[in-house]
Amino acid sequence: QKEVEQDPGPLSVPEGAIVSLNCTYSNSAFQYFMWYRQYSRKGPELLMYTYSSGNKEDGRFTAQVDKSSKYISLFIRDSQPSDSATYLCALTSGGSYIPTFGRGTSLIVHP
Amino acid sequence: DTEVTQTPKHLVMGMTNKKSLKCEQHMGHRAMYWYKQKAKKPPELMFVYSYEKLSINESVPSRFSPECPNSSLLNLHLHALQPEDSALYLCASSQMTGSPGELFFGEGSRLTVL
Repeated sequence: QKEVEQDPGPLSVPEGAIVSLNCTYSNSAFQYFMWYRQYSRKGPELLMYTYSSGNKEDGRFTAQVDKSSKYISLFIRDSQPSDSATYLCALTSGGSYIPTFGRGTSLIVHP
Repeated sequence: DTEVTQTPKHLVMGMTNKKSLKCEQHMGHRAMYWYKQKAKKPPELMFVYSYEKLSINESVPSRFSPECPNSSLLNLHLHALQPEDSALYLCASSQMTGSPGELFFGEGSRLTVL
């Protein structure tokens, strides 16, 4: 079993839809949870950063962490074509500054 | 615009060539990284320079060699590469305090080995 599992997609949705992206993990030492967004042929950029279980909201984006289930989610409300990108979850333990990445989910928002 | 600058953006080289990828950051970060990313795959860590100490992913072949002239520059020297080395090479930097896992990536150097 991989440390971090993430469905590669692609996930195709119409503009305005609510998008749910997910990762599961096996290592209970992970304490910090991130979502990176990567546009085609660009480097990843940090989108959301959370610590511990619960929700964190930033505009149209909500990151959710359930440590008991080892499950993290990213919700995108009112999705836009400009949200079309690959979304990588990334996790790290408290003892490391180097994240473990999921393989990324490709999201396509069509007008 | 990213604060991590990578050059060149595109590089085509033959298997006998020697070339270098360059990376620069001006955020005062104390750690810099090289990642390799193939299509539809996550970034794979190759090297980390942190507080002037190099850490190597032991699966990285010796035809890749990093160089850190100073704390804001990180080069990746390429020699006798293979076609399977064609990929997007990403440089990143981070603070070693604050938010673990928060990396700042450059736009990448897309390498094609013929």
